[in-house]
Amino acid sequence: DAGVIQSPRHEVTEMGQEVTLRCKPISGHDYLFWYRQTMMRGLELLIYFNNNVPIDDSGMPEDRFSAKMPNASFSTLKIQPSEPRDSAVYFCASRSQGPTEAFFGQGTRLTVV
Amino acid sequence: GENVEQHPSTLSVQEGDSAVIKCTYSDSASNYFPWYKQELGKGPQLIIDIRSNVGEKKDQRIAVTLNKTAKHFSLHITETQPEDSAVYFCAATSGTYKYIFGTGTRLKVLA
Repeated sequence: DAGVIQSPRHEVTEMGQEVTLRCKPISGHDYLFWYRQTMMRGLELLIYFNNNVPIDDSGMPEDRFSAKMPNASFSTLKIQPSEPRDSAVYFCASRSQGPTEAFFGQGTRLTVV
Repeated sequence: GENVEQHPSTLSVQEGDSAVIKCTYSDSASNYFPWYKQELGKGPQLIIDIRSNVGEKKDQRIAVTLNKTAKHFSLHITETQPEDSAVYFCAATSGTYKYIFGTGTRLKVLA
């Protein structure tokens, strides 16, 4: 397996624009997580899915953020409208059932100007 | 809510010396404690983990200890090498299956 695949690797957008981040988890994994990483706040859990169903979105900062998982092999994190304070590295991770290793993607570095 | 504290935030050691990073957690139901290493421009990668029914685990130069009573766990790296330089994160998880990460420790191994 190629691991967790995220796209794009880098995204630069203007304030107010819609941004969509994409993630392909490892095949067979039941859980998918979206994290945001900044210097100030470290790794923050935004939302996680179990079998494509959102379980906990309490980390989503605002209504401007939304996430979907239409099938077991694809998830999106959307920010609309984007703001400069959304600039961060966004990671997707997946894991199988039970307390076990979560595998991270390479991340998407988002810059909102 | 669940919280994981990690110390120190930065750590510099001479090559060959040992490094210790400490974490405490708040949720007594936590039962799995992974440690991740993040190199520049990459996603975090698991280096070692420990479950709540074990007090210590070792893998070559890396070891992790867990004290459930005190709710803290530590990462020990012996005979450090320059390639150990990275940011290290601890995490805790319980039946909710969501990982709560510490704030990270930037380790520098000086040659």
